[in-house]
Amino acid sequence: QQQVKQSPQSLIVQKGGISIINCAYENTAFDYFPWYQQFPGKGPALLIAIRPDVSEKKEGRFTISFNKSAKQFSLHIMDSQPGDSATYFCAASILTGANNLFFGTGTRLTVIP
Amino acid sequence: NAGVTQTPKFQVLKTGQSMTLQCAQDMNHEYMSWYRQDPGMGLRLIHYSVGAGITDQGEVPNGYNVSRSTTEDFPLRLLSAAPSQTSVYFCASSFPGQGTSYEQYFGPGTRLTVT
Repeated sequence: QQQVKQSPQSLIVQKGGISIINCAYENTAFDYFPWYQQFPGKGPALLIAIRPDVSEKKEGRFTISFNKSAKQFSLHIMDSQPGDSATYFCAASILTGANNLFFGTGTRLTVIP
Repeated sequence: NAGVTQTPKFQVLKTGQSMTLQCAQDMNHEYMSWYRQDPGMGLRLIHYSVGAGITDQGEVPNGYNVSRSTTEDFPLRLLSAAPSQTSVYFCASSFPGQGTSYEQYFGPGTRLTVT
């Protein structure tokens, strides 16, 4: 079964708008929540990550919001740009183990000019 | 640094054939892993290694073998290819515990088609 559930499957946003992608997990042992960005024909690349001891982390236009009690986390992309068009994956892992990543199913984001 | 490299980029196999997907990293990372990416399913862990000589199974290990004789290399072997193994395969590496970085670095992928 999917340990990390991700929605929506696809998202179309106007340039300058806010893109929001949501993820939920069940395993309370997860203690590392990264977001990966993947362009066509390329491998995933780390975008931003959060630990459960904080509720929000911001890096430039990208923000992760984390709700430990609800077991949910989300990625917000502010002022979305056409160059942000890519597939985004949320993931979760247990750092005290081998840090194996459990991925969501991905969201294909298209930012239209 | 070349980072994580994978060969080949593309491969077509017939059912029953065997092959090895190569993965190498030049960052002296202890941890290496193989994932497969299928439409609508995200990436799923096949096998992983926490150091030379140590390997273990991930979520979807059936039909695949791995070995880790050196820190740099982590090949993935398909012993008897099946159409269900048609996928894009990614190798990743990381150095758990190094500073505060837990980032896994992914290679460019191998697109495999089994007919």
